[in-house]
Formats: sequence, C-alpha cells, structure tokens
Amino acid sequence: DAKTTQPTSMDCAEGRAANLPCNHSTISGNEYVYWYRQIHSQGPQYIIHGLKNNETNEMASLIITEDRKSSTLILPHATLRDTAVYYCIVRDSGTYKYIFGTGTRLKVLA
Amino acid sequence: EAGVAQSPRYKIIEKRQSVAFWCNPISGHATLYWYQQILGQGPKLLIQFQNNGVVDDSQLPKDRFSAERLKGVDSTLKIQPAKLEDSAVYLCASSLGAGTVGSGYTFGSGTRLTVV
Repeated sequence: DAKTTQPTSMDCAEGRAANLPCNHSTISGNEYVYWYRQIHSQGPQYIIHGLKNNETNEMASLIITEDRKSSTLILPHATLRDTAVYYCIVRDSGTYKYIFGTGTRLKVLA
Repeated sequence: EAGVAQSPRYKIIEKRQSVAFWCNPISGHATLYWYQQILGQGPKLLIQFQNNGVVDDSQLPKDRFSAERLKGVDSTLKIQPAKLEDSAVYLCASSLGAGTVGSGYTFGSGTRLTVV
C-alpha cells in the first residue's frame, strides 16, 4: 500500500502558486520523498525529491516539515501546462520500490 | 539523452488473444521496471529487473503475464491469454540502479492496451 495520502483534486489560477500537500506519517528516517507528475497520455515525470531539508529546482520547491510527517510541493507560478496528476511517493528503504497512490489531480484555470 | 522507448503506442486485441510490449531503456540503466496503470489509478509495479535478473515479480500475475530482459538491455512483457481486466496502460521505466538517489526513474510514454 502507498505510504502517502493526498487530496484527490485541486484547482489553481494561472500565474498563482500551487501548493500540493502530502501526508506521510509512517515515513522512516532514511526514506526519501519523491514527487512525480503525469500529464495526460504520458508517463510520470520526475519533479523533485528530498530527505529532510527543503529543496528547490527549476520546476518546483519541496517543503518537508521538521517531523517529516508531511510535505508540500510548490509550483511558484502555475501555467496551464502544469495541469496534471501529481504523485507524492515515499520510496521504500528496503526494496527501493516506488508505490504510487492515486495522486492529486491539479487543474490550472485560465 | 534519449528517453525510454516503448512500442507499440496503442494495441487493441480480443480477449484470450496474446500481446507483447517492448521497452528499450536509457543506455547504461541497469534497473528496468514494468508498471500497469488502470484508468484512474496510480501505476502498479509488475516486475523489476536488475540487469537481466528478476529482482521483484511479486505483483506479476504469472499465470498469464511473463517478462524477460535478454542481455540486460531491452525487455518484453507478454500477456497470454488476455482478459478484459488487463485493459490498462503498461509503462516501462529505467534507472541507473535500484538504490540510486537522484532524479528517480525515467518513464516511457507507455502502451495503451484495450481488450475487447
């Protein structure tokens, strides 16, 4: 079973920040949080990952709470092309498996 | 860098027929994965290869599904005979190694299978 829970869907206005939450209360100390997104008819695309510290790259920022039980993916200026399903995944520390949940369907509105 | 290549892109077959999917991973990637994604759900891991050996096939329905990765590069996934519930997108992904921390997996665009 997936180790994360996410809201089923969210809307965001174009140009505004999209904040996607994820709960992972059973995460172990050495397990990473990964975020992927899947645009219609494509395979999932890697966005960002983190362990303890906040991370930023050209696509997004990842904020992880101090107790590591939850995180937030931030798309700073959402565009229509960011409309997709976003998956938060805790990679299993023993098997390194990614177990996908059902993700959050983000719709960016013009 | 070329991505993960999959073919065919779409396939429609009748139930009880057989079908095969092909995947060519990114050059140098030792680990290859096959996922099944049913409409409205997240991808589910079917099988994981490390080079040409199977690491995990616990979720593969072995009575009808088979997969191989000859020479540790390309891989094929076969279904024989197909059932209606096999209708899904079949995704192939690859990574440098199973435990590699970094930009994760690279997924192909998938093969959409419809069983009628």
